[in-house]
Amino acid sequence: QQPVQSPQAVILREGEDAVINCSSSKALYSVHWYRQKHGEAPVFLMILLKGGEQKGHEKISASFNEKKQQSSLYLTASQLSYSGTYFCGTEIPGTYKYIFGTGTRLKVLA
Amino acid sequence: NAGVTQTPKFQVLKTGQSMTLQCAQDMNHNSMYWYRQDPGMGLRLIYYSASEGTTDKGEVPNGYNVSRLNKREFSLRLESAAPSQTSVYFCASKKGYGSGYYEQYFGPGTRLTVT
Repeated sequence: QQPVQSPQAVILREGEDAVINCSSSKALYSVHWYRQKHGEAPVFLMILLKGGEQKGHEKISASFNEKKQQSSLYLTASQLSYSGTYFCGTEIPGTYKYIFGTGTRLKVLA
Repeated sequence: NAGVTQTPKFQVLKTGQSMTLQCAQDMNHNSMYWYRQDPGMGLRLIYYSASEGTTDKGEVPNGYNVSRLNKREFSLRLESAAPSQTSVYFCASKKGYGSGYYEQYFGPGTRLTVT
């Protein structure tokens, strides 16, 4: 039931781009993205809703394909500060229960 | 605003001891959550409270109990700690529920070790 993220881990050089994917076996009505730095709490990045509405940080972009039950997070011109673990998450419809994806570890090297 | 606060920050327990983790938010949020995160792993939902006066089980509720004391506070109790409960515990809150429109705000976490 947990959304599956890919890749599990990625290493980039500063300035390179990356795409992180989140795929669910169940219908998604919204997808949230969070970043967690080592030893810290997760921090909100973006929400994507059915119908195309989005809210979040201006420098982050993402997509949400409702039919395929998938979302992708696009990190362009990566900076050292982008390093951390990225999680997608969603509220299970009808339950108010929240579930996070498996996580993607991203490391940006100078 | 302090946001979401958690106490204590660190705790070491012996097997069989009990303790309560405290969480409070000052953002007038309706929903509150308790997660655990094992080393190198993702976040798993223990219990949640969609609104004041309600609590429900998450993915991994066994060995835990919760109390939504009021709108601000949501506590997590371990009645008889076990080594398998060694983890980092995060509390989170969000403004509303049901539409998926609201983001969660996390506390700094409690690092619990059970020996």
